[in-house]
Amino acid sequence: DQQVKQNSPSLSVQEGRISILNCDYTNSMFDYFLWYKKYPAEGPTFLISISSIKDKNEDGRFTVFLNKSAKHLSLHIVPSQPGDSAVYFCAASDGNYGQNFVFGPGTRLSVLP
Amino acid sequence: KAGVTQTPRYLIKTRGQQVTLSCSPISGHRSVSWYQQTPGQGLQFLFEYFSETQRNKGNFPGRFSGRQFSNSRSEMNVSTLELGDSALYLCASSLTRYNEQFFGPGTRLTVL
Repeated sequence: DQQVKQNSPSLSVQEGRISILNCDYTNSMFDYFLWYKKYPAEGPTFLISISSIKDKNEDGRFTVFLNKSAKHLSLHIVPSQPGDSAVYFCAASDGNYGQNFVFGPGTRLSVLP
Repeated sequence: KAGVTQTPRYLIKTRGQQVTLSCSPISGHRSVSWYQQTPGQGLQFLFEYFSETQRNKGNFPGRFSGRQFSNSRSEMNVSTLELGDSALYLCASSLTRYNEQFFGPGTRLTVL
């Protein structure tokens, strides 16, 4: 059973608009979450993280929101740019296990010019 | 600062053979983790090494093993290769066990 789910395999957004990528988790012990971006033929690149003591973290065009009661987090990209087109992975950890992050299956974002 | 490097980038093996993949973390990073990425399963955690000791292990058979050297470089070994082992193997390093990870480009293993 997948502990981290990204129910949208793909998403298309117009350049300049907002991209919202969603992630749901089932393990209530998860307390640290990350988003990674992956281009073809490259390893994932860390984007932004959030710990469970916060409900929002912002870094430039990227904002991550965490709703612990719903076990849901989302990544907002505003404004979306064509270079943002990639696969986005959500990952979660319960902290006690160090680097044992559980990854979602990924969402492919296409930003159309 | 140089990123995480992995060698080789591509590898073709046949069933039953064994393979060793290498990972050099970012200078100063002491934690190295390995992941397997397949189209069907996504990114799955293999194991984590810190200070030359395996700290965590994912749900993979004993054919998958690894080690870390005193300079934090890491190797992973897969013995008795199976067709299902064909995947992209990613190595990630982090400063400590609780920082964000930086990934290498991966080694694409094809088992024929």
